[in-house]
Amino acid sequence: GAVVSQHPSRVICKSGTSVKIECRSLDFQATTMFWYRQFPKQSLMLMATSNEGSKATYEQGVEKDKFLINHASLTLSTLTVTSAHPEDSSFYICSAFEDGADTQYFGPGTRLTVL
Amino acid sequence: DAKTTQPPSMDCAEGRAANLPCNHSTISGNEYVYWYRQIHSQGPQYIIHGLKNNETNEMASLIITEDRKSSTLILPHATLRDTAVYYCIVRVGRAAGNKLTFGGGTRVLVKP
Repeated sequence: GAVVSQHPSRVICKSGTSVKIECRSLDFQATTMFWYRQFPKQSLMLMATSNEGSKATYEQGVEKDKFLINHASLTLSTLTVTSAHPEDSSFYICSAFEDGADTQYFGPGTRLTVL
Repeated sequence: DAKTTQPPSMDCAEGRAANLPCNHSTISGNEYVYWYRQIHSQGPQYIIHGLKNNETNEMASLIITEDRKSSTLILPHATLRDTAVYYCIVRVGRAAGNKLTFGGGTRVLVKP
């Protein structure tokens, strides 16, 4: 299957700082990428849909000014958690949609801990 | 998207076939059935998907009933590494944005 990477895999930051997470499709181009969040013992929750060259579409209840998404190329989307607080601590997972396979492929996730 | 219903957990014996059921009684004609699994602290892994025909790949088989209201994922020879949460998801086609909605999944424990 297609490969999606995320960087960093784990990050610890102080409250009030911003954190950027990168999502890359390594062997295919993706016009659409997705960002999810997963709290302990819960399922994945879709945060936003990232479309190359256009603004992201956020799910209801997700603050677009807090979770900045940029999809500047067909292989890279970034999620920036601005002014992070302890309640933003979570497992953030991206996925990339491969048109040819009509399938989303997921990255390994980024564990964010805000102190 | 159509909702899915899966048993919250099930145990399987190593080396035996694991049959994971999923109900999706409100599925529409253009909605696909996707299966993913998530091993602890990792991103979900794609397994298989189908529309109405049965599908098989190197990981698993997907059996969809004729009325498409339910499906079964079959892991032919379960190994300890198949222990994971398995998600059955019904997705609309490209026009609706290709979004996936994850439910609770089935927590599968493969025992020696």
